[in-house]
Amino acid sequence: GAVVSQHPSWVICKSGTSVKIECRSLDFQATTMFWYRQFPKQSLMLMATSNEGSKATYEQGVEKDKFLINHASLTLSTLTVTSAHPEDSSFYICSARGQGVSKNIQYFGAGTRLSVL
Amino acid sequence: EDQVTQSPEALRLQEGESSSLNCSYTVSGLRGLFWYRQDPGKGPEFLFTLYSAGEEKEKERLKATLTKKESFLHITAPKPEDSATYLCASSGGGADGLTFGKGTHLIIQP
Repeated sequence: GAVVSQHPSWVICKSGTSVKIECRSLDFQATTMFWYRQFPKQSLMLMATSNEGSKATYEQGVEKDKFLINHASLTLSTLTVTSAHPEDSSFYICSARGQGVSKNIQYFGAGTRLSVL
Repeated sequence: EDQVTQSPEALRLQEGESSSLNCSYTVSGLRGLFWYRQDPGKGPEFLFTLYSAGEEKEKERLKATLTKKESFLHITAPKPEDSATYLCASSGGGADGLTFGKGTHLIIQP
């Protein structure tokens, strides 16, 4: 149990375009989902937290107009990187926490490698 | 500000050579201390959660322990398949997400 699926695993896009990343909890209801970013040889940094049906809460320094988060159902959250630029290239990872699994544990997706040319 | 510091950054062991990884944390109101394993290009895989000083948890060759300032991940008689980056993370303070350390990159040589 506690499987989180993230798609796509790798995306290359041109500067100025938008990219959408999906995060799904496959066998439990995710009341809270999190989005992290990881640069090479760095730790995972929390970008935002979202609760189903509510607006996301963004960490300091994360532009909410650039990183749009939607958590419309108990199994799906999306992250849209708008007008992507090369400095947005990174490894984006989602996690989910919720009902039907240990409620204090965040279960992670496999991550999405974003390369902006 | 919550902080998590892991040491060493990298560790190379021979198969069967036991060792420990360290995680020092500074968190106001710790709600949990987490250990994850991360393979290259993958997301973190949950290993353990510890909630209070003195608590210990075991899984196969791994044992995690917690004090008021540190956590240790002990690896007994490791095998090459234990090679990975081990991440420590804290939950506490006013934040709902996890604060991660940079990880320890562990290599087990056959």
